[in-house]
Amino acid sequence: DVKVTQSSRYLVKRTGEKVFLECVQDMDHENMFWYRQDPGLGLRLIYFSYDVKMKEKGDIPEGYSVSREKKERFSLILESASTNQTSMYLCASRDQSQETQYFGPGTRLLVL
Amino acid sequence: GIQVEQSPPDLILQEGANSTLRCNFSDSVNNLQWFHQNPWGQLINLFYIPSGTKQNGRLSATTVATERYSLLYISSSQTTDSGVYFCAVSYNNAGNMLTFGGGTRLMVKP
Repeated sequence: DVKVTQSSRYLVKRTGEKVFLECVQDMDHENMFWYRQDPGLGLRLIYFSYDVKMKEKGDIPEGYSVSREKKERFSLILESASTNQTSMYLCASRDQSQETQYFGPGTRLLVL
Repeated sequence: GIQVEQSPPDLILQEGANSTLRCNFSDSVNNLQWFHQNPWGQLINLFYIPSGTKQNGRLSATTVATERYSLLYISSSQTTDSGVYFCAVSYNNAGNMLTFGGGTRLMVKP
C-alpha cells in the first residue's frame, strides 16, 4: 500500500518561530509536493521537487523554503512563521511514470 | 494560469440519492484528476481522467476535453461519501503542477 506520512497532525507555533514540516514517502517516488489548503481557496501548490536536491516554486512560495536531501523525505520550512501561514499543509508524492498523486494526512498549523 | 471552477460549492443529499458534480476549466489540459477529502482531511484519488469515461463502483466520471469540463457522478449515495470533492488539472507546459478547483462540499444525511 502507498504511504505518505507527515511529522505532525497538529502544530501550534509562535510568530517568528522557525517551523519544520516533514513528509516521508515509502514508494520510491521521484516527485514530491507541498500544498496549503485554506477555506474557499482549495489547495495551492507551494513547492515541488522532482529529484533529490531539486526544487521548483509553485504558485505561492513566498515565506517558505524546502529541502530534499533524500529521495523519501521532503521538508517544508517556514523561516519566520507569521499568522497568515496558519493553514492546513498537505504533502503528496507521485511516481514519474504515473499521474496519480498520493497525499499524506495533513498538518494543521496554528501560528499565534 | 488555468482557472478551475467547481459547482455546486455545497450539496446536501439524502442517503440513496444520486448527484452530479461539475468541473469547468479554462484551457486545454493533459491531466485531470478527481479527489475526495474525508472529514478528517485525508485526500484520496478517485479518478485520473483527462478524457473519456471511467467507472469505479458507485462512482463514475466523464471528461469532455474539447468542451473543457468534467463530471463526477455519485449514485446511491452513502454517509461515507460525505466530504469535499476536488477536481485538479494540469495543462501543457505546466509540468508536474496540478491546479485545484475550490471543491464541492457534500453532506449525505442518513
